[in-house]
Amino acid sequence: KAGVTQTPRYLIKTRGQQVTLSCSPISGHRSVSWYQQTPGQGLQFLFEYFSETQRNKGNFPGRFSGRQFSNSRSEMNVSTLELGDSALYLCASSLETGGSDTQYFGPGTRLTVL
Amino acid sequence: SQQGEEDPQALSIQEGENATMNCSYKTSINNLQWYRQNSGRGLVHLILIRSNEREKHSGRLRVTLDTSKKSSSLLITASRAADTASYFCATDAGTGFQKLVFGTGTRLLVSP
Repeated sequence: KAGVTQTPRYLIKTRGQQVTLSCSPISGHRSVSWYQQTPGQGLQFLFEYFSETQRNKGNFPGRFSGRQFSNSRSEMNVSTLELGDSALYLCASSLETGGSDTQYFGPGTRLTVL
Repeated sequence: SQQGEEDPQALSIQEGENATMNCSYKTSINNLQWYRQNSGRGLVHLILIRSNEREKHSGRLRVTLDTSKKSSSLLITASRAADTASYFCATDAGTGFQKLVFGTGTRLLVSP
């Protein structure tokens, strides 16, 4: 099976702009989670989607949003970008068998905000 | 906020030596997972240990879990240069959902 894919791999934006990142989970996986990784804060949970519904949300401002489509693919959007949004954004998918499962991560999207 | 602390923050060893990394966490958990990350890339899943398990093996990896001490350790035996990476522990913080709370990570350098 193909792994988790994320597009684009690299992005450069300027402050105030918005950005959309895409994630395609492993075939058959219905849960998709997003994480932000920065040198200062480490790996932090953004949100999780299951069957097109947001089930969990981390402690991030409303500028960060996401959605999941019927084919389980997910997108996250960051509006009004700030310098501090520069980070590696990681998407993970899991089978979701009723409890917490192994999450398989994609290669990430490196976002740089200038 | 991060669930756990990892110790040491950095570890430098020679090929063939064993590497041990420790992880402490704060809340009750359903399971704990270990991941590897090579230089700013995606995370690779190594092993998952459930809260009712005490030890688990996978190839050259050995993971232990002590829920009474809220700690886990990852042992890599006979290390190779290719093991050079950052290693993270992650828990579900007892939620039972797909929300991982990561530790701070250990940077492992294996020299030939």
